[in-house]
Amino acid sequence: GQQVMQIPQYQHVQEGEDFTTYCNSSTTLSNIQWYKQRPGGHPVFLIQLVKSGEVKKQKRLTFQFGEAKKNSSLHITATQTTDVGTYFCAGGNNDMRFGAGTRLTVKP
Amino acid sequence: DGGITQSPKYLFRKEGQNVTLSCEQNLNHDAMYWYRQDPGQGLRLIYYSQIVNDFQKGDIAEGYSVSREKKESFPLTVTSAQKNPTAFYLCASSVGSSSYNEQFFGPGTRLTVL
Repeated sequence: GQQVMQIPQYQHVQEGEDFTTYCNSSTTLSNIQWYKQRPGGHPVFLIQLVKSGEVKKQKRLTFQFGEAKKNSSLHITATQTTDVGTYFCAGGNNDMRFGAGTRLTVKP
Repeated sequence: DGGITQSPKYLFRKEGQNVTLSCEQNLNHDAMYWYRQDPGQGLRLIYYSQIVNDFQKGDIAEGYSVSREKKESFPLTVTSAQKNPTAFYLCASSVGSSSYNEQFFGPGTRLTVL
């Protein structure tokens, strides 16, 4: 089945610094979803991107879908301690597969 | 209050025993999923069901079995054939099985096999 690669695996930042996680697929995706899992919790849907080159924003979070629909990124501006958790991308092409996730820790 | 419930939250079993994890949803969703989560490996799909009385293997189905006799319920049995069963198991559901549908996750069951 299709595979979605996500990097980095871990990211530790100082509060106020920016953070970016990247998601890559070897095949063209129909859509991509992003989820957040807080420590000890379960994944919660954040957003879906469908169109080539699409950019969506949620407050300090910016999501992008590549022109070729093979990659995506999530960028957080000025991280806060509430941003801690693991961020997963999930790539769709008939079915959905999750990346390994990027675990973000924020030092106050 | 709609959602997905999984029970129990923590489960301990002796090696060689089968164990069944419960997953119930009252969202009226057609599709349901089981994932296994291990540190650093993200969410790996075990089984999924698009509709009642139908289910398909995911990427790591060996050593697991499921049933979908009711729309609301999708129990997962971890059999003694599963070599490394200790993990965090997450159940999810979505309106349909299309990749465009958002998945709603339950709180998970942490299984430890001693």
